[in-house]
Amino acid sequence: LAKTTQPISMDSYEGQEVNITCSHNNIATNDYITWYQQFPSQGPRFIIQGYKTKVTNEVASLFIPADRKSSTLSLPRVSLSDTAVYYCLVGDNSPKAAGNKLTFGGGTRVLVKP
Amino acid sequence: EAQVTQNPRYLITVTGKKLTVTCSQNMNHEYMSWYRQDPGLGLRQIYYSMNVEVTDKGDVPEGYKVSRKEKRNFPLILESPSPNQTSLYFCASSAHRGAGELFFGEGSRLTVL
Repeated sequence: LAKTTQPISMDSYEGQEVNITCSHNNIATNDYITWYQQFPSQGPRFIIQGYKTKVTNEVASLFIPADRKSSTLSLPRVSLSDTAVYYCLVGDNSPKAAGNKLTFGGGTRVLVKP
Repeated sequence: EAQVTQNPRYLITVTGKKLTVTCSQNMNHEYMSWYRQDPGLGLRQIYYSMNVEVTDKGDVPEGYKVSRKEKRNFPLILESPSPNQTSLYFCASSAHRGAGELFFGEGSRLTVL
């Protein structure tokens, strides 16, 4: 299982872009990278998933370099409501893989200030 | 509405008194899992299930049991709870194995005295 490392916390201001980098040096060939957002007293919520290069959806972008040993979640123009904990998760999505053990990292606490 | 429902949401119990936290999903997902969340430790997987009658241990299975008799339900059983099982518990389901897209319940906060 690929271990992930993220910064513990980050501060930002409304309107700024926030970039959170996750390290996963031992990522396997079949592993995908997924990011989740969690507000206090709520379950995590899926944000975005990618395998390589760049993925963009309506809320975020995910940048994955060619070696895939890290990934960066980019939140454009954050607002106060983006204050949350963000988790990077690496896992094998292939149907033929054995088991479904998933190991979340410690997450990054993002505080957006006015 | 697609959802994962956990019950109870809050529970205070005493050491040794068996309890069950239920989890039900209405999305016909094959994959379900349980996590506990403790301050500073993030989310840790307790057990997972890949289909009916197929379950396996996650990273922290000690003190817990699960069963998957129906596709929609995946209860977490604490046969003899201890104070170190005081935690926030989340159930999740997904259509595919791996890291995405997991749908989480709202959480069950358990206190064992």
